[in-house]
Amino acid sequence: DAGVTQSPTHLIKTRGQQVTLRCSPISGHKSVSWYQQVLGQGPQFIFQYYEKEERGRGNFPDRFSARQFPNYSSELNVNALLLGDSALYLCASSLAPGGNTGELFFGEGSRLTVL
Amino acid sequence: GDSVTQMEGPVTLSEEAFLTINCTYTATGYPSLFWYVQYPGEGLQLLLKATKADDKGSNKGFEATYRKETTSFHLEKGSVQVSDSAVYFCALKGLGAGNMLTFGGGTRLMVKP
Repeated sequence: DAGVTQSPTHLIKTRGQQVTLRCSPISGHKSVSWYQQVLGQGPQFIFQYYEKEERGRGNFPDRFSARQFPNYSSELNVNALLLGDSALYLCASSLAPGGNTGELFFGEGSRLTVL
Repeated sequence: GDSVTQMEGPVTLSEEAFLTINCTYTATGYPSLFWYVQYPGEGLQLLLKATKADDKGSNKGFEATYRKETTSFHLEKGSVQVSDSAVYFCALKGLGAGNMLTFGGGTRLMVKP
């Protein structure tokens, strides 16, 4: 079975541009979460979606937005890119949100470089 | 707010050495605790977890015990292999936090033959 897939794997943008990152969850998983991992640091939570609704948001500016589609895939959009947005963006899926025993399955990430 | 503190790396060991990576946390209530591993060029993988105090998570020879009294979840392995070289992340999930994990900064482990 396919794991969590993300695209693109690498991309380079310039300051002020906009970027869209895509994620397909594991088949049967209805919840998708996005994390930002700056080089040398641990991942930071950005968003969680379940059944196409936002269920959680981390401490990120409004330039960051996301959505989930009827097939449970998701997009993360970042507008007006800053140099500090350079990072590995990770998508994770799970059967459902909530609960203390749920496991997250991570994709390999999209590495964004902002010049 | 919730936070996780890990020992800084890199940690360099010879094959078959004993491994300890320290992890302490700050959280309200009784969070679930996790160790994730990131091999070069790959995504994060769940290594082990513990959901209540005194629980021991174990997988692939790695172990960690949820210590409420010391708010710790140290990762240990009795004999590391070169293939264990990776970055290890300690993480917690608070009650009602959905899928929001709070990660530590990660510890890079390098095992030399």
